[in-house]
Amino acid sequence: QKEVEQDPGPLSVPEGAIVSLNCTYSNSAFQYFMWYRQYSRKGPELLMYTYSSGNKEDGRFTAQVDKSSKYISLFIRDSQPSDSATYLCAMKVQGGSEKLVFGKGTKLTVNP
Amino acid sequence: ETGVTQTPRHLVMGMTNKKSLKCEQHLGHNAMYWYKQSAKKPLELMFVYSLEERVENNSVPSRFSPECPNSSHLFLHLHTLQPEDSALYLCASSQDWAGRHEQFFGPGTRLTVL
Repeated sequence: QKEVEQDPGPLSVPEGAIVSLNCTYSNSAFQYFMWYRQYSRKGPELLMYTYSSGNKEDGRFTAQVDKSSKYISLFIRDSQPSDSATYLCAMKVQGGSEKLVFGKGTKLTVNP
Repeated sequence: ETGVTQTPRHLVMGMTNKKSLKCEQHLGHNAMYWYKQSAKKPLELMFVYSLEERVENNSVPSRFSPECPNSSHLFLHLHTLQPEDSALYLCASSQDWAGRHEQFFGPGTRLTVL
């Protein structure tokens, strides 16, 4: 079983739709959970950062972490064509110098 | 220049060539990273430097040789590469290697090995 599983898509939605992106993981020691957004021909940029369980909201974006199910989600409300990108989940154990472990990324297209 | 910059943005090389990728961070960070991004695969961490010392080497073939002359610059020297090494090579930096610090990525170098 891979440490982090993420459906690569592609995912295509109409403008205004609610988008749900998900990752599952196997390492119960992960405590930091991140979502990166990567536009074509660009490097990833951090979108959301959550520590341990719970929800975090930032504008149209909501990140959820369910540690009991080893499942994280990113919701995008009122999706826009500018949200079209690849979304990467990433996670890390607490403390020390453990590396970030990434999912494969989900390619999202929001159609006008 | 701001953030993390990488040059060149695109590179095509033969298997017998020697080339170098350059990364520069303008953020005052202490840690720098090289990642490999291939299609349909997760980002693979290759090397980590913290305060100019290599702290992580993820079983990367010796045909990839990193160099960190100071905390702002990171190089990846390439020689006798294979076609399967074709990928996007991303540089990143963070405030420190340990802890919860965000990693900031450069735009990457798209490498094609013929």
